[in-house]
Amino acid sequence: GESVGLHLPTLSVQEGDNSIINCAYSNSASDYFIWYKQESGKGPQFIIDIRSNMDKRQGQRVTVLLNKTVKHLSLQIAATQPGDSAVYFCAENNNAGNMLTFGGGTRLMVKP
Amino acid sequence: KAGVTQTPRYLIKTRGQQVTLSCSPISGHRSVSWYQQTPGQGLQFLFEYFSETQRNKGNFPGRFSGRQFSNSRSEMNVSTLELGDSALYLCASRYPGPPGNEQFFGPGTRLTVL
Repeated sequence: GESVGLHLPTLSVQEGDNSIINCAYSNSASDYFIWYKQESGKGPQFIIDIRSNMDKRQGQRVTVLLNKTVKHLSLQIAATQPGDSAVYFCAENNNAGNMLTFGGGTRLMVKP
Repeated sequence: KAGVTQTPRYLIKTRGQQVTLSCSPISGHRSVSWYQQTPGQGLQFLFEYFSETQRNKGNFPGRFSGRQFSNSRSEMNVSTLELGDSALYLCASRYPGPPGNEQFFGPGTRLTVL
């Protein structure tokens, strides 16, 4: 499949453990943040989003935390499964349009 | 509901040629954005079209252009191809609305420039 990054930071976790993926964003004016998952050969898939007026949002097995003071975003995946293995990107939106600025990505590897 | 489709999936061109990539958004989506993904630069925004008008443009040279048709389908064109244009080109569509409506990505077109 397509390579999304030759030297991505990699997080390796045991199946069933919780995973935490971190992201530093650049623009303090950004008001909307999204986490995407990209599997080999596919386009990015939406996981969860959060607006700047929130500091936490939960989905199914995933939680996003936003710390605007230090411009930090994290994605927590509970009970990580082999199907969660992928590259994860954070993205920020900082204007009225739909231009997303993506982080460099983190490769998550789940060991059975 | 069918997802975002992109054609072709794979393309090989030589330096100096030009290429046109196509994107069909999800039915009812009127905003289409294009991104370039490379191992070195990651995912970078190219441009966004809404109602046949370019609404935003990223920091790419004028060799990169696009357009949108009345049925919301979009094409992007790269002229005078360079080796560095080799990348995965992704298209994303979204329903009209404020930020907060998620963008749905297609599988991409893998362009290789020789």
